[in-house]
Amino acid sequence: ETGVTQTPRHLVMGMTNKKSLKCEQHLGHNAMYWYKQSAKKPLELMFVYNFKEQTENNSVPSRFSPECPNSSHLFLHLHTLQPEDSALYLCASSQGFTGRGGGEETQYFGPGTRLLVL
Amino acid sequence: AQTVTQSQPEMSVQEAETVTLSCTYDTSESDYYLFWYKQPPSRQMILVIRQEAYKQQNATENRFSVNFQKAAKSFSLKISDSQLGDAAMYFCAYRSANYGGSQGNLIFGKGTKLSVKP
Repeated sequence: ETGVTQTPRHLVMGMTNKKSLKCEQHLGHNAMYWYKQSAKKPLELMFVYNFKEQTENNSVPSRFSPECPNSSHLFLHLHTLQPEDSALYLCASSQGFTGRGGGEETQYFGPGTRLLVL
Repeated sequence: AQTVTQSQPEMSVQEAETVTLSCTYDTSESDYYLFWYKQPPSRQMILVIRQEAYKQQNATENRFSVNFQKAAKSFSLKISDSQLGDAAMYFCAYRSANYGGSQGNLIFGKGTKLSVKP
């Protein structure tokens, strides 16, 4: 499999459920990202991991918990979500923050997980 | 803080014709990257073209080209010989060339929905 993959592609959950979103990149990258895409709003960056270290938490509620066990995998653990958390969750990867120039600043996206919270 | 503005929520073009999508941005930095991403109905975010701010030459990728006006902080996308498969949401994005903290993160515009008429 190539590129960035995400599972599941669709998820429906109740507000008391616990679920996890998975992202895997096959590009040899070292930085991974979670974005939230809601209707009629710009993409919102949620978390950034660079070489497995979290470098950004964009004021995301604690009901979203990221995990990055290695440079190829990124998880988003979901717990006690609200209906307003329903959105498309996109994962992306890039080469990693080792310096300037080249192509490392280009992010490649997965197909997303469509989440519906009831 | 940097911002990205796409003033055209929707655009329409006849198949085989040319269309230009507008993007303006605001930054105090001199070195940065600009991107156009395409998001078709499948929701996969696909990189269309990228431009380094320090390069005066406009980037070109097959039928896609940009008009980068650094002084005016404008970065428009021209699609030539439009095809039905070009129908999608198009997002303009900005990224600082500095990698400290959140400065390396992508900042997206709200997008322009492009329709292609047969």
